[in-house]
Amino acid sequence: DAKTTQPTSMDCAEGRAANLPCNHSTISGNEYVYWYRQIHSQGPQYIIHGLKNNETNEMASLIITEDRKSSTLILPHATLRDTAVYYCIVRGTIQGAQKLVFGQGTRLTINP
Amino acid sequence: NAGVTQTPKFQVLKTGQSMTLQCAQDMNHEYMSWYRQDPGMGLRLIHYSVGAGITDQGEVPNGYNVSRSTTEDFPLRLLSAAPSQTSVYFCASSPDLGTEAFFGQGTRLTVV
Repeated sequence: DAKTTQPTSMDCAEGRAANLPCNHSTISGNEYVYWYRQIHSQGPQYIIHGLKNNETNEMASLIITEDRKSSTLILPHATLRDTAVYYCIVRGTIQGAQKLVFGQGTRLTINP
Repeated sequence: NAGVTQTPKFQVLKTGQSMTLQCAQDMNHEYMSWYRQDPGMGLRLIHYSVGAGITDQGEVPNGYNVSRSTTEDFPLRLLSAAPSQTSVYFCASSPDLGTEAFFGQGTRLTVV
């Protein structure tokens, strides 16, 4: 699985868009980019994933660069409840197993 | 819909004791995994299973055993607890590769 690099921490004002970057320069062609978040000490929560096209769901948008070496998770209107650690994960799909390799993530703080 | 249920939520063990952390899911998912999370760290994969009767080791398997006799259950056994196993343990399940993983709320284990 490709290694990812994320900033250790970020701040964002409530109501603004939160843009969380992730570098994955060694990503392979069949590897998806996944985003999870962990609020307090709860279990991680799935947010979104994508391969090469930009993706959007009710929680967030995922923008993947054309060379797929980096991506950005966008929370369009951040709320205080979005304060959490956000993990960017790159995972292959041809390995016969579900293995998520978590890094240290980005601690996002939403400020009132 | 209970999702992924972990028991117990909290446990204190003495060094050398054994115990089993329970994980059950009611979503008929084939894939299940166990992770541990140490303070300030991301999650690390201990063991995983791609279906009933099939298990394999993750990043940090030493000191832990698993079995998967049914689709629903994936218990994690500590045969002889050590202080280094003090951690928060998360169980996860997913229906297939390339899909989101659902996490339980964690078991907080302290070994004294």
